[in-house]
Amino acid sequence: GIQVEQSPPDLILQEGANSTLRCNFSDSVNNLQWFHQNPWGQLINLFYIPSGTKQNGRLSATTVATERYSLLYISSSQTTDSGVYFCAPREGGGGKLIFGQGTELSVKP
Amino acid sequence: GAGVSQSPSNKVTEKGKDVELRCDPISGHTALYWYRQSLGQGLEFLIYFQGNSAPDKSGLPSDRFSAERTGGSVSTLTIQRTQQEDSAVYLCASSLNGNTEAFFGQGTRLTVV
Repeated sequence: GIQVEQSPPDLILQEGANSTLRCNFSDSVNNLQWFHQNPWGQLINLFYIPSGTKQNGRLSATTVATERYSLLYISSSQTTDSGVYFCAPREGGGGKLIFGQGTELSVKP
Repeated sequence: GAGVSQSPSNKVTEKGKDVELRCDPISGHTALYWYRQSLGQGLEFLIYFQGNSAPDKSGLPSDRFSAERTGGSVSTLTIQRTQQEDSAVYLCASSLNGNTEAFFGQGTRLTVV
C-alpha cells in the first residue's frame, strides 16, 4: 500500500510567522486531503486537493501528483493554528484514506 | 444529518467486556470508514464500507473486531472481549462515494480498565 511521510514531525513558530508542511507519498493517488486536528481531537477538513493549488484565507495547498507530494502553506500563523496537521491521500481506484504521522504545530504568542 | 455523528462520546469498560460503537454518517453518503487513533499517533484504518458491503476490512486488528452497516446508513463497530490495548479514540468518516471528500465525526474515546 501507499506509504505517507510528513515533514517536519514537529514545528514551533512564533505568532505571525509562515511555514510550509510537506507530504510525500510513495505511489499514485486518487486524491488527497489535508486535515487539522485541534487540541480537542476534532479533525477539521482543510483541503480536498487531488492536484493543483487551492487557497483558503491564510492557508493554501499545492499537490503535484506526478511527483508524489503535497505542500500546505500557513501564513501569518496564529495560536489557534496549533495542533496536528495530517495529509491523507486516497489510493487509486477509491477507498480508504492513508494517513501520515502528522506534523505537530505549536504557535507561541 | 448535518455532520457525522458518533456515540457514545466516551466509553469506559472493563477488560473482557464487549462494546458497541455507533456511527451515523452524513445523509446520502454511501462510503463509510472506521479508523482508530492511539494517544499521540496517526490514524489507523480499520474498515471501509460502500453501501452495506465492506470491500476493504484489511485493517481490523483481530477477530475480536467486527463491523456492520445496515440500510446503507448507520454502522456499528463491535469489539468483543476488550483488552487494554484496545483503548483509543475510534473515528468514523463518511463520503458521498469512495472517491470524494471525507468528513469525520468527533470520535468515541474508549478506555478499557
